Amino acid sequence: AQSVTQLGSHVSVSEGALVLLRCNYSSSVPPYLFWYVQYPNQGLQLLLKYTSAATLVKGINGFEAEFKKSETSFHLTKPSAHMSDAAEYFCAVSGGLNQGGKLIFGQGTELSVKP
Amino acid sequence: DTGVSQNPRHKITKRGQNVTFRCDPISEHNRLYWYRQTLGQGPEFLTYFQNEAQLEKSRLLSDRFSAERPKGSFSTLEIQRTEQGDSAMYLCASSLATNQPQHFGDGTRLSIL
Repeated sequence: AQSVTQLGSHVSVSEGALVLLRCNYSSSVPPYLFWYVQYPNQGLQLLLKYTSAATLVKGINGFEAEFKKSETSFHLTKPSAHMSDAAEYFCAVSGGLNQGGKLIFGQGTELSVKP
Repeated sequence: DTGVSQNPRHKITKRGQNVTFRCDPISEHNRLYWYRQTLGQGPEFLTYFQNEAQLEKSRLLSDRFSAERPKGSFSTLEIQRTEQGDSAMYLCASSLATNQPQHFGDGTRLSIL
């Protein structure tokens, strides 16, 4: 079975500081991995995806993530936090072709940005 | 691309009542997914369709829940005899194919009095 673990339910950084949100996955097949962001009372917006091409994936709003198979990790980073980055972030793994592509989500990490 | 649309945005109902939610996916997307999200948690998969065929249902989807996607276009999710535990955000997503990014609607927030 596939699963995702996000370390840290809440992360707080200062504006301009590095953002690092951690995600570890478990998968018996080569995974498809995604990061989504959710603002209050809204749906999820795709930040970036890993689909077995380049291990360093660049997404929207200056975010990027690195796939490390040996560590089963897919951590999300941004060099310099902005106030508008404050939101809930979810890492997800796709269930694979034989599972219809359903997403299995982590429990989320709430990012706070201090001025 | 007008995005995924969900209606209503909010639904407040009394315990025991039936409710129905609607999802309009992105027009060319043949896959449609329903998820449920409770406060402080990530979304949990409920069911998905490929065109009009419902291909998988989660064990979370009790007999009180039913979903349809007639003609492979919009989808409805109905909950019969609602219970307190049904209070959650119900999210719909669509995609072009398996393992392609899923695009989410803004969800329907259900509150059970």
